[in-house]
Amino acid sequence: KQEVTQIPAALSVPEGENLVLNCSFTDSAIYNLQWFRQDPGKGLTSLLLIQSSQREQTSGRLNASLDKSSGRSTLYIAASQPGDSATYLCAVRTLFGTQGGSEKLVFGKGMKLTVNP
Amino acid sequence: KAGVTQTPRYLIKTRGQQVTLSCSPISGHRSVSWYQQTPGQGLQFLFEYFSETQRNKGNFPGRFSGRQFSNSRSEMNVSTLELGDSALYLCASSLSPDTYNEQFFGPGTRLTVL
Repeated sequence: KQEVTQIPAALSVPEGENLVLNCSFTDSAIYNLQWFRQDPGKGLTSLLLIQSSQREQTSGRLNASLDKSSGRSTLYIAASQPGDSATYLCAVRTLFGTQGGSEKLVFGKGMKLTVNP
Repeated sequence: KAGVTQTPRYLIKTRGQQVTLSCSPISGHRSVSWYQQTPGQGLQFLFEYFSETQRNKGNFPGRFSGRQFSNSRSEMNVSTLELGDSALYLCASSLSPDTYNEQFFGPGTRLTVL
């Protein structure tokens, strides 16, 4: 059974710091990994999608890496800003049960980030 | 391009009632998935629809059901509501169920069961 872990559950940093958010998963047989942010009471905003054959993806100040063999992904946020404050979730697209052609996203519990001005 | 829309945004129901939530995917997207988010369990997969057919169903009781229409819009229904059904229900759409497709989420429907 696939399990996704994000540690720590919360992080508070001063503005301007470079941040590394961690995500680990137990089964390396994934199709892709997606990072999301969620603002309080809102839905999920997709940040980056890394296919299983890729090592990293970049978008603006964000960079995500994937190491399937070790079951880890990191999200790097450069020069953090107060507007980056949100909960960040990672999710892996994984086989659902034993039936071929059936997949689902398995989410971590998220990491609540607070960037202080 | 409009994003995923969900209606209603908020609902208050009492135990034993039933509820129907609606999701309109991004134009051109044909795959719709539903998730339940609670503080204790986090995000859990409910089911996925493609071409009006349910492809997968998560580990939820039969009180949770859904369907998809020919225009790809989807509804989920919860019958005989229980207090534990209080949650944020999120809908996600993608072009197709192909594993490489990105999932885009709607704002969610906040369901409170009293």
